[in-house]
Amino acid sequence: LAKTTQPISMDSYEGQEVNITCSHNNIATNDYITWYQQFPSQGPRFIIQGYKTKVTNEVASLFIPADRKSSTLSLPRVSLSDTAVYYCLVGEYQKVTFGTGTKLQVIP
Amino acid sequence: GAVVSQHPSWVICKSGTSVKIECRSLDFQATTMFWYRQFPKQSLMLMATSNEGSKATYEQGVEKDKFLINHASLTLSTLTVTSAHPEDSSFYICSAKQGADRESPLHFGNGTRLTVT
Repeated sequence: LAKTTQPISMDSYEGQEVNITCSHNNIATNDYITWYQQFPSQGPRFIIQGYKTKVTNEVASLFIPADRKSSTLSLPRVSLSDTAVYYCLVGEYQKVTFGTGTKLQVIP
Repeated sequence: GAVVSQHPSWVICKSGTSVKIECRSLDFQATTMFWYRQFPKQSLMLMATSNEGSKATYEQGVEKDKFLINHASLTLSTLTVTSAHPEDSSFYICSAKQGADRESPLHFGNGTRLTVT
């Protein structure tokens, strides 16, 4: 299983773009990269998934360089409601291991 | 979108009693479901993989006789915490994978807060 490394925490002001980078140096050829968001006392919620280059949906963008050893989740114009823990997951679907995640605090 | 429902959302029980937590995939079938435990300010820890029609696979250090898992149908998995003790108090979360493809993401329930007194 590819181990992931993320910053423990980040602060951002409302309205700013936030980029959270995840390192996964031993990602396997067939592995996808998936990001989840978790609010306190709730289960994680799927945000975005990608394999290479760039993926964009209505809530975020995911940038993956050619070597796929890292990925960056980009949240445009964050609001207070984006305060949460963000997890980067890489690996075989049958056994996903959660890393520490990044606690994002959005400041008014 | 795929929805996973977990019940109850919270439960308080006395030490020595057993508690059952249900995890249902509401709009899709899941041959595999996963159970996690999360302590305050920590990440999710995978406890076991629940396979429909067969025995669950437990992670190292998780007592299979204490955390009984039953996956009797393609939409329901249950976790029973037997003879619960205060140290079992935690946030329990289940997840299910909608498709069999490697890229199909996991969908999570909203968790069950267990407090053992």
